[in-house]
Amino acid sequence: EVQLVESGGGLVQPGSSLKLSCVASGFTFSSYNMHWIRQAPKKGLEWIALIYYDSSNKYYADSVKGRFTISRDNSKNTLYLEMNSLRSEDTAMYYCAKTGFDYWGQGVMVTVSS
Amino acid sequence: DIQMTQAPSSLPASLGDRVTITCRASQDIGNYLRWFQQKPGKSPRRMIYGATNLAAGVPSRFSGSRSGSDYSLTISSLESEDMADYYCLQSKESPFTFGSGTKLEIK
Repeated sequence: EVQLVESGGGLVQPGSSLKLSCVASGFTFSSYNMHWIRQAPKKGLEWIALIYYDSSNKYYADSVKGRFTISRDNSKNTLYLEMNSLRSEDTAMYYCAKTGFDYWGQGVMVTVSS
Repeated sequence: DIQMTQAPSSLPASLGDRVTITCRASQDIGNYLRWFQQKPGKSPRRMIYGATNLAAGVPSRFSGSRSGSDYSLTISSLESEDMADYYCLQSKESPFTFGSGTKLEIK
């Protein structure tokens, strides 16, 4: 059974940093590209980042480019999202998803507030 | 960037109705279009991929179609469990972009 489990969220102050993790199981993680998607409260879905299976390519939404970094450790079956210079508008539920968007994690909440 | 214009934003409908939600792409995306269903407090669920292909486990009352740059999700006969938010997503090129969403609710 495919599972994606996010962690690392919480309440942080504007300007601070946070690193999210997404642990994958039930499939060959090292063979698949992975995504991060977020959803602000009561708002729609926003794609934010993609990393290729071998980390050779990374892509970002303009809203996070230069502040967020997607990475992965295939030996640990884990996807990461390092978030710096956080703003109130980054407040959202963050989901990881397998390429094809056929499997999503349950999401982890990030709240940026003073 | 490719823009996905989704309509309507809200769709009141009755059980048994046939309903259609549409997304229009600002550039050619071929069949790189997916549809998702999201219920309150839940992660999105992929319903359609490749514009017209039904995802595994999705009821056959759901279907996807394409006419040029217009993509549609149709539910042939609405059931109570279909009340949810629906989103399209283009995955032709980065940045991937979602439509703004459609809230399907009981009239």
